[in-house]
Amino acid sequence: GAGVSQSPSNKVTEKGKDVELRCDPISGHTALYWYRQRLGQGLEFLIYFQGNSAPDKSGLPSDRFSAERTGESVSTLTIQRTQQEDSAVYLCASNPGYSSYNEQFFGPGTRLTVL
Amino acid sequence: GNSVTQMEGPVTLSEEAFLTINCTYTATGYPSLFWYVQYPGEGLQLLLKATKADDKGSNKGFEATYRKETTSFHLEKGSVQVSDSAVYFCALIWAAGNKLTFGGGTRVLVKP
Repeated sequence: GAGVSQSPSNKVTEKGKDVELRCDPISGHTALYWYRQRLGQGLEFLIYFQGNSAPDKSGLPSDRFSAERTGESVSTLTIQRTQQEDSAVYLCASNPGYSSYNEQFFGPGTRLTVL
Repeated sequence: GNSVTQMEGPVTLSEEAFLTINCTYTATGYPSLFWYVQYPGEGLQLLLKATKADDKGSNKGFEATYRKETTSFHLEKGSVQVSDSAVYFCALIWAAGNKLTFGGGTRVLVKP
């Protein structure tokens, strides 16, 4: 049974470039979440998907950040015109979605470094 | 808004010592409370949870009791091991929401 997977595991980019981060949730999990963990800080919520729609985008820090999900499966988080403050570990999580109290299963994260 | 506050680390202990990590929360309504753990080089994983007042979550020798009167969910372990060295995160889900709100994390280092 595969867990949540994310790719790439590490990404180094130059300031101003666009990046795409991918998340493959656990098969059958309808709920998918993106979080960000900046160095020495806690996790910040970015966006939540239920199926292919995003009822809560309140954590996206700016309009440079966007995310989509297709086929109730894979999700892509896109950061345009990256800035140094975007450097962080981006974590994806999923759960079956039928109860908000269910455990969220986390992927290993993508470490993004913006030079 | 909802928030979680936990003690700052790092916490350095000797093996077999007693561990307490304090966690308090502010939330509307009746949240569910969680402790997640991140071992070195690994992903975040659920350690334990409690979904209503006075519930006690427990796992791997760790315990935490949901205290509504003090809005707390302190994590305890009676005798830590070197393998317990990790970063511990307290978190909540508000009853009507779906996102986890995390505390800042507490790094624990257990020395032999």
